[in-house]
Amino acid sequence: SQQGEEDPQALSIQEGENATMNCSYKTSINNLQWYRQNSGRGLVHLILIRSNEREKHSGRLRVTLDTSKKSSSLLITASRAADTASYFCATALDSSYKLIFGSGTRLLVRP
Amino acid sequence: DADVTQTPRNRITKTGKRIMLECSQTKGHDRMYWYRQDPGLGLRLIYYSFDVKDINKGEISDGYSVSRQAQAKFSLSLESAIPNQTALYFCATSDWIQGNGAFFGQGTRLTVV
Repeated sequence: SQQGEEDPQALSIQEGENATMNCSYKTSINNLQWYRQNSGRGLVHLILIRSNEREKHSGRLRVTLDTSKKSSSLLITASRAADTASYFCATALDSSYKLIFGSGTRLLVRP
Repeated sequence: DADVTQTPRNRITKTGKRIMLECSQTKGHDRMYWYRQDPGLGLRLIYYSFDVKDINKGEISDGYSVSRQAQAKFSLSLESAIPNQTALYFCATSDWIQGNGAFFGQGTRLTVV
């Protein structure tokens, strides 16, 4: 089974609303990363949070990390139609530099 | 020019054929990865490499092999293609010591008939 599991699998919101996606993982990590993918294209890195960090911001993105619960969340504030995409978390394992992806959340932002 | 370039972009091949997917990067990163993506399953790691002398199996390496010809080049081979290897394949590089994530190629859409 995959290291990272995202929740929900799909999310539909109105433009202007906030979108929250969650990621849970199983083993000790060096860092956790979030990516975006538009319709079968290459993934684009959004933000990286290290295991000793609890929260990080980048523009309209806010990521939290709770290593005790082995979970992370990605919040996109004031969503736009252009945010429609699939979002993936990826965990960089502590000991080996493996980068393992979850199954993703499909976000639809309705205009 | 793209930072991570995959060739070919699309390929249709027959069952039993050997096929090679190529990846080259201009980022200067040591770490390179090959993933496959199937609908609803996210990305699964096939192989990863830290340098030309270091190759590691990922989650689903059976039926695949790789070659790291140089720091900038990492090739994925399907020795004898089968239909359930039909998927979208991605190459990626990374250097997260600098706080950056991975850089992905545009993908190779492979169909095995």
